Amino acid sequence: ETGVTQTPRHLVMGMTNKKSLKCEQHLGHNAMYWYKQSAKKPLELMFVYNFKEQTENNSVPSRFSPECPNSSHLFLHLHTLQPEDSALYLCASSHGLAGGRSTDTQYFGPGTRLTVL
Amino acid sequence: DQQVKQNSPSLSVQEGRISILNCDYTNSMFDYFLWYKKYPAEGPTFLISISSIKDKNEDGRFTVFLNKSAKHLSLHIVPSQPGDSAVYFCAAVNYGGSQGNLIFGKGTKLSVKP
Repeated sequence: ETGVTQTPRHLVMGMTNKKSLKCEQHLGHNAMYWYKQSAKKPLELMFVYNFKEQTENNSVPSRFSPECPNSSHLFLHLHTLQPEDSALYLCASSHGLAGGRSTDTQYFGPGTRLTVL
Repeated sequence: DQQVKQNSPSLSVQEGRISILNCDYTNSMFDYFLWYKKYPAEGPTFLISISSIKDKNEDGRFTVFLNKSAKHLSLHIVPSQPGDSAVYFCAAVNYGGSQGNLIFGKGTKLSVKP
């Protein structure tokens, strides 16, 4: 049990659909992250939230929209995705530091396997 | 251009022997490094880390070595066990960037044979 849960675990959607990925952490952390892992590529950071404020958007297309209503929950809203967006989407959390820089170990959820048809 | 490279996509080791997983990086601004382990259908699990002020960090069967001059780090697992079979990711923190900007390698799949 990693303390970070993600739902759904698998999602298939069409290019015109709207769906949301959910992440919840039970570790009392203040920072949460979305990563994308495509086949044969390294994990790519997408978004960072620190104390509910977005502190990093790693040039992610606007068809991906994150939401962090509180320190325990993180959503990724999906709209008009492309087949190349099919990937494993991982959520992570960490203690977070007010200074924004840290040796802050991140703990990952199991991921959502997304397929865009 | 990849800043963190794991040049061996796979490694096979006999149970009880040493497993050595290698990682090279190009950005001299990295000063904190982590290893994650990932089983199929699970997210990466933090394994061990090392700060650039150290050259070795040990935790049980796992030891990470850092050679800053060569921009190289390695993970040693001794003795290797079948349960260690997983994909191992090397990651580095870029202090020149923002929080959470972990840069990952592509991973090395370790198979430990009984």
